Parts: sequence; C-alpha cells; structure tokens
Amino acid sequence: QQPVQSPQAVILREGEDAVINCSSSKALYSVHWYRQKHGEAPVFLMILLKGGEQKGHEKISASFNEKKQQSSLYLTASQLSYSGTYFCGTVDFGNEKLTFGTGTRLTIIP
Amino acid sequence: DTGVSQNPRHKITKRGQNVTFRCDPISEHNRLYWYRQTLGQGPEFLTYFQNEAQLEKSRLLSDRFSAERPKGSFSTLEIQRTEQGDSAMYLCATSKGLADYNEQFFGPGTRLTVL
Repeated sequence: QQPVQSPQAVILREGEDAVINCSSSKALYSVHWYRQKHGEAPVFLMILLKGGEQKGHEKISASFNEKKQQSSLYLTASQLSYSGTYFCGTVDFGNEKLTFGTGTRLTIIP
Repeated sequence: DTGVSQNPRHKITKRGQNVTFRCDPISEHNRLYWYRQTLGQGPEFLTYFQNEAQLEKSRLLSDRFSAERPKGSFSTLEIQRTEQGDSAMYLCATSKGLADYNEQFFGPGTRLTVL
C-alpha cells in the first residue's frame, strides 16, 4: 500500500511557507523526498533514516516521526522554482525498494 | 542531466506489437530500478537489479514484461504484445548501494503510447 500525502495540492505566493506530509501504514526504515516538474524525471531532495540521520540539500528541511511512520517536508520562503509535484518514497523493513506516495502538487505564484 | 540516459524518449506502437526500452546507468551505480508512471501518479516499482542479478519483480507485473541487465551495465525492458493499458512513462533509476539510504538518480524516461 502506497504512502498517503497531504495536501494533494497547494498554491502559494512567492515567499510563503508550506508543509507537505507523508504517512505510511508500515514500519519504515527510511523516507525519501523527490520533486518532479512537468514532463521531467523526479529529482532527489532528501533522505531521512530511522535513527535520525538525514542526507540531502542544505536548503531543504524535513522531519521523520518513526513512531507514527510520518514525515513532513518543510519549504520556507518559497521561490518560483519550487513549483512541481512532490513525492515521498518509503522503504519499509524487509524491502529494498521505494514505494512512492500519492503526490502533492505545489504551485508558486508571483 | 543526472547521467542516466534512456532510449528512445518516445515510442508509439500499435496494440499487439513488442517494444524494448534501454537504460544506461551512471557507471559506478550497481543498483538499477525500473518504474512505470501514469499521469498524476507517483512512480510505480516494476523491477530492480543489483549488478546483473534481477532481485525482485513486482507481483503486479504481467508476464509480458521482462527485463535484463547483461554484464551489470545497461538494462533493457521489453513489453510483449502491448496493450493500451501499457501506455505510460517508463522510468529508469540507478543508485550506488542499497535503496534504503542512497538517493536514486532518474533518467528522463521513455513515454510509451499504445494505439
């Protein structure tokens, strides 16, 4: 079963902040975040590992609640370039593959 | 450009025909994944390789789909007797090491249209 993301879509004015949530029903080893622009391939943003380790871009922040199997991606002072669809991908114990979430479409307007 | 290439970028075929896609990974990446993505959905896992060994194949994947990675370098994905429901973007991604803590680099994808 794929992770559920919320909200499904959000529209922001440039400079505003946004939070995108990802929730899984399975015990997770890691959560990955990707951004995909229309007609392009997904691009890596961040990995959050069980135990607190994080890997990713300096300007991106996220959290991983291991007990609740939830992750949140924080986008601050949004720029026009942040527009796109954000996907979380989860790796649960016993698997070595990503299961991508339902996606969140982010639109930044000037 | 992530360094992962896919060919062709677009493929239009008639129902019942066979098609083959190719993925060339970043050279030092030993893991290679195939995904399928339809409009408005996230990438859906199809299969993956570690070097030349195919380690897992999605239970949802029809027997019409087969993938190879000879010599652990490039990979091919073949769909036999294509159906209209196979129309989608087929994405290849590679990583260095295990998926659970390594980022995946995606290729530009092959868009398949089955008429």
